[in-house]
Amino acid sequence: DAGVTQSPTHLIKTRGQQVTLRCSPKSGHDTVSWYQQALGQGPQFIFQYYEEEERQRGNFPDRFSGHQFPNYSSELNVNALLLGDSALYLCASSSLGTSGGSGEQFFGPGTRLTVL
Amino acid sequence: QQPVQSPQAVILREGEDAVINCSSSKALYSVHWYRQKHGEAPVFLMILLKGGEQKGHEKISASFNEKKQQSSLYLTASQLSYSGTYFCGAADHTGGFKTIFGAGTRLFVKA
Repeated sequence: DAGVTQSPTHLIKTRGQQVTLRCSPKSGHDTVSWYQQALGQGPQFIFQYYEEEERQRGNFPDRFSGHQFPNYSSELNVNALLLGDSALYLCASSSLGTSGGSGEQFFGPGTRLTVL
Repeated sequence: QQPVQSPQAVILREGEDAVINCSSSKALYSVHWYRQKHGEAPVFLMILLKGGEQKGHEKISASFNEKKQQSSLYLTASQLSYSGTYFCGAADHTGGFKTIFGAGTRLFVKA
């Protein structure tokens, strides 16, 4: 079992650019959540996808958007990048179908985004 | 609102015990505990769904007081491998599927 995978591992962009981050959930999982983790802080919830729909959203602007594909993999898109978007972006997968949404989440290694 | 964790940091000697607390101003549906080592992804430790229920994982256990909206993580006979940042994640009743993490408690175990 490959676990949760994310790509790329590191990314450097300049202000105003757009970025797409990718996540493949753990085998058997159907739910993907995205988090932003600034240095020294806890993960901040961005949104969660299940059945290709956004189920929940945190306090992030519309510049942050996502998508889930039929194979449960997911993308996080960020438009008009700001310096403050520099962070570690974590993807976590879980199984809504078996846990009712309250089950454990498995985190991927993250994508380190640096905005210059 | 983000759950509040205390203490912010703790230093232990190998074999000592520690308690990390997590409290929320909102009614909780579940509490999750994770440990994150430097440069790595958070790793799931345990989840608590019922008020007052304790769960254990090796020498790490936790309790969840649903009425007080508080959870505590107990680390007994700490080992060097316990070093890291511990996060509590709280899921409330509104939607139930959004986990909000605390700022973390940094734990350092020295020999």
